[in-house]
Amino acid sequence: ETGVTQTPRHLVMGMTNKKSLKCEQHLGHNAMYWYKQSAKKPLELMFVYSLEERVENNSVPSRFSPECPNSSHLFLHLHTLQPEDSALYLCASSFGGGRSYNEQFFGPGTRLTVL
Amino acid sequence: EDQVTQSPEALRLQEGESSSLNCSYTVSGLRGLFWYRQDPGKGPEFLFTLYSAGEEKEKERLKATLTKKESFLHITAPKPEDSATYLCAVQARLRYGSSNTGKLIFGQGTTLQVKP
Repeated sequence: ETGVTQTPRHLVMGMTNKKSLKCEQHLGHNAMYWYKQSAKKPLELMFVYSLEERVENNSVPSRFSPECPNSSHLFLHLHTLQPEDSALYLCASSFGGGRSYNEQFFGPGTRLTVL
Repeated sequence: EDQVTQSPEALRLQEGESSSLNCSYTVSGLRGLFWYRQDPGKGPEFLFTLYSAGEEKEKERLKATLTKKESFLHITAPKPEDSATYLCAVQARLRYGSSNTGKLIFGQGTTLQVKP
């Protein structure tokens, strides 16, 4: 195990539903990330939180809303999603905010299907 | 524009048949090149970090090398359990804020299949 957990592991939702993805890291890191991985495409960075402050949102649609209440927990709130949002959503954590490098460690991901 | 290209897209090897995976990159000010392994339905697993040209790192049957324009992941005498997708990523500076927290730019990956 990498020390980063995600729940749920699988999620099926309709386009009108509201759901949340949860990520927790046990590595003592202070930066957390959400990535989207679609079939046949590279991992795409969605959001970065460093020291609990969002530093980049990478032009993600507003139907995705992140929340980082502390350095160990990260949420991704979902509402009125589209079928093309179906993908594997990955959380990662690292040291940041002053270190010269940041190896990111990933959780197992949430497989999201939007009907 | 920061970019990472991996080749080949897919590679099939017989057990024991050594080969190399390529990762070509363009980035303004390389702050680290990372290799990950990803099994189907799972998150990427960290393998190596390389920081400067000429650097090499090894782990079991894997060896990663770095030049100013590309990195290679050499697989020596692979086994079926080495079958996975191998991802390469470079660290780029974020566009906003003063934090040194970087963003990873990933390639599309090389899917390796090792047959017994």
